[in-house]
Order: sequence, then C-alpha cells, then structure tokens
Amino acid sequence: QKEVEQNSGPLSVPEGAIASLNCTYSDRVSQSFFWYRQYSGKSPELIMSIYSNGDKEDGRFTAQLNKASQYVSLLIRDSQPSDSATYLCAVSGNTPLVFGKGTRLSVIA
Amino acid sequence: DAGVIQSPRHEVTEMGQEVTLRCKPISGHDYLFWYRQTMMRGLELLIYFNNNVPIDDSGMPEDRFSAKMPNASFSTLKIQPSEPRDSAVYFCASSLRTDGEQYFGPGTRLTVT
Repeated sequence: QKEVEQNSGPLSVPEGAIASLNCTYSDRVSQSFFWYRQYSGKSPELIMSIYSNGDKEDGRFTAQLNKASQYVSLLIRDSQPSDSATYLCAVSGNTPLVFGKGTRLSVIA
Repeated sequence: DAGVIQSPRHEVTEMGQEVTLRCKPISGHDYLFWYRQTMMRGLELLIYFNNNVPIDDSGMPEDRFSAKMPNASFSTLKIQPSEPRDSAVYFCASSLRTDGEQYFGPGTRLTVT
C-alpha cells in the first residue's frame, strides 16, 4: 500500500515568517511530486511540481525533494494570511497520484 | 479553457435515492479521475479512465457506485441507492498522463439525509 504522510497540523506561523510543510512517502520508485493548496470549501489547486532531487523555487514557494530519505517539503517565504489553507502532498510513480491528508496552515496577522 | 466542469455543485437527497454526478474534463486530457473527500479519510481515488476506458475501479466502495465515460468530454458517477455515509465532496480531475499534474473541478457537495 503506497502511503503519503503529512502532519495534519494546524501549523501556525506569524505573518512574514517562513512556513515549512513536510511530507514523507513509502514507495521508493516514486518519480513525480506535487503540492496542492486547498482553501476551505474549494477544490485542490496545483501550486508546485518537482521531479529531481534538490530545490525548485517559484516566487515565494520552494519545493525540496530528497529521494534517498523519501522526503519532500514545501517552504513558503514571507507568509501571508491569504496562504492560510490546507496543503496536500501528492506522489506518483507511473501510477495515479497518491495524496496525503494534508497539513492545515494558519498564518496569523 | 474553462477547466474541469462539474455539476451539480450541491446535491441534497434522501437515503435510497439515485444520485448522478457529472464531469467534463479539460479538452485534450486523456485521463479522468473521480475522488471522494471526507475529513476522516481525506482524498480517496474512486476510479480513473484513460481514453474513456475504466482502468482501475478498485477504489469504488461498493456496488452501489458506478461510473461511465461515454465520450472524451463527459463522465458520470452514479450512486444507487444512496446512503447517509455517502455524504462527502466528490471531485473530478483530469490529466494528460497517469502520473502527471491533475486539475480538479469545483466538486459536488453531496448530502444524503
């Protein structure tokens, strides 16, 4: 059974701080990794994808991948109240995405 | 492109009734996925299609659930008969590849009383 684990939170950070969201996965052959943001009452929205070890930056977001440790993370710099949402990690290895249950982030103004 | 379209957005029905949820994927996406999301279980993959053919329905919880994709631009998820435990948000998503980025529709919030 392929598993994707995330801390459910809530993770509370002050406005302007760095939010760090973590995800571990069980399937060693996983090749594709995604972060989705889901606002309350809305659908998941893709914000980042990463396929190679290392960091990938997009604006205030940085995804980090370490395949040896089976670990992927998302950093949000200069966190804003509008970043308050649930963040879902998704992992795939030539199969449909397997989603974690998400980490709820709360950015306090 | 309008994105993935789902209807209805909200459905309230009584136990025992038939429920049909509808989805139009993004044009050109060969893969279509149906998910159910609850607080307890998170996002669960129910079934997915490739080029209108069901590939894996192992996530369908019971025989009361069925899904079809008669053409590349339309899919349905049917629950007959519905039960209160079916209450959840049902999402449809589409993708270019099995393991590629998925784009979600707005979801259907189903309440079975």
